[in-house]
Amino acid sequence: DAKTTQPPSMDCAEGRAANLPCNHSTISGNEYVYWYRQIHSQGPQYIIHGLKNNETNEMASLIITEDRKSSTLILPHATLRDTAVYYCIVRRNNAGNMLTFGGGTRLMVKP
Amino acid sequence: NAGVTQTPKFQVLKTGQSMTLQCAQDMNHEYMSWYRQDPGMGLRLIHYSVGAGITDQGEVPNGYNVSRSTTEDFPLRLLSAAPSQTSVYFCASRPWGDNEKLFFGSGTQLSVL
Repeated sequence: DAKTTQPPSMDCAEGRAANLPCNHSTISGNEYVYWYRQIHSQGPQYIIHGLKNNETNEMASLIITEDRKSSTLILPHATLRDTAVYYCIVRRNNAGNMLTFGGGTRLMVKP
Repeated sequence: NAGVTQTPKFQVLKTGQSMTLQCAQDMNHEYMSWYRQDPGMGLRLIHYSVGAGITDQGEVPNGYNVSRSTTEDFPLRLLSAAPSQTSVYFCASRPWGDNEKLFFGSGTQLSVL
């Protein structure tokens, strides 16, 4: 799996968009970008994933650069409940083993 | 569906004691795994299974045993607990398919004194 780099922490004002960056410059052509989040004391929660096209679901949007070396997770209207650690993971499907998680970005949404 | 169920939620052990953390899922998922999370850190993979009767080691397997006799259950055994195993343990599962969308349990907080 390709290595990812995320800022350790970020702040966002409630109601504003939260833009969480992830660098994955060594990504391979068949590797997807996955985002999970972990709210304090809970198990991680899947958010979204994509290969090369931008993706949107009810939780967030994922923007992947054309060269696929970086991506941004966007929470369009952050709420206090979005305060969590966000993990960016790069991986090909059905790689045979299980996802490995790095340190992630601790997002603090402030009133 | 209950999803992924872990028991117990909290456990305190003395050094050298043994115990089993239980994990069950009712989604008929082939893949199951155990992670540990130490304070302020990400998750580290302990063991995983790609189906009944098949298990493999993750990043930090030492001190832990697993078995997968059924699709539903994937227990994690600590044979002789050590203070270094104090952590929060998460079980996760996913179906065979074309994505890596994991479903996690709510965790077991383990303290070894």
